[in-house]
Amino acid sequence: NAGVTQTPKFQVLKTGQSMTLQCAQDMNHEYMSWYRQDPGMGLRLIHYSVGAGITDQGEVPNGYNVSRSTTEDFPLRLLSAAPSQTSVYFCASRVDRGAFGYTFGSGTRLTVV
Amino acid sequence: KNEVEQSPQNLTAQEGEFITINCSYSVGISALHWLQQHPGGGIVSLFMLSSGKKKHGRLIATINIQEKHSSLHITASHPRDSAVYICAVNSGGSNYKLTFGKGTLLTVNP
Repeated sequence: NAGVTQTPKFQVLKTGQSMTLQCAQDMNHEYMSWYRQDPGMGLRLIHYSVGAGITDQGEVPNGYNVSRSTTEDFPLRLLSAAPSQTSVYFCASRVDRGAFGYTFGSGTRLTVV
Repeated sequence: KNEVEQSPQNLTAQEGEFITINCSYSVGISALHWLQQHPGGGIVSLFMLSSGKKKHGRLIATINIQEKHSSLHITASHPRDSAVYICAVNSGGSNYKLTFGKGTLLTVNP
């Protein structure tokens, strides 16, 4: 099925652990992005990419790394997890042009203890 | 002040009622998006607007660029419409980066 696939759906980490949230899309979308959603804060952009080999920071990039080696994949790495990174994470993609909106993954609920 | 403001924050309606959710923004935009998120669920893109009006089934979205305002209307509301509706904009000359409102929680009672 076409779309954005995020894994895992749930994860519990201990403070200081590292992990990678996976995001893959099979729609040949140029643009991919990561957001976090926190109660009362809404969705905020972490990092984004406009194509393979190109990434940039969003509104809340600290503590996260990304890379884009292929068009399909855009993993988000937590280098040393902190309780403040407890959140729901969404990956999204869209085409470069046209009147098309974003396709979102189903989300990853991360708890850092 | 947030760049994107939504009203109301919470809305309760009876099945069959006409519903309006408002979104105001304070920056220049290239596009405005309406998104839907069911409780505990993923996010679905409903509309992308740069001018005028769009309709999909019982949903209608309008935008007034001069007034920096958009509305999402739901006709003949149904309990399955209960969700959080989120307004987001592409601003700052970017066709990619999104800035979000905090969402409107809609509850439609049978």
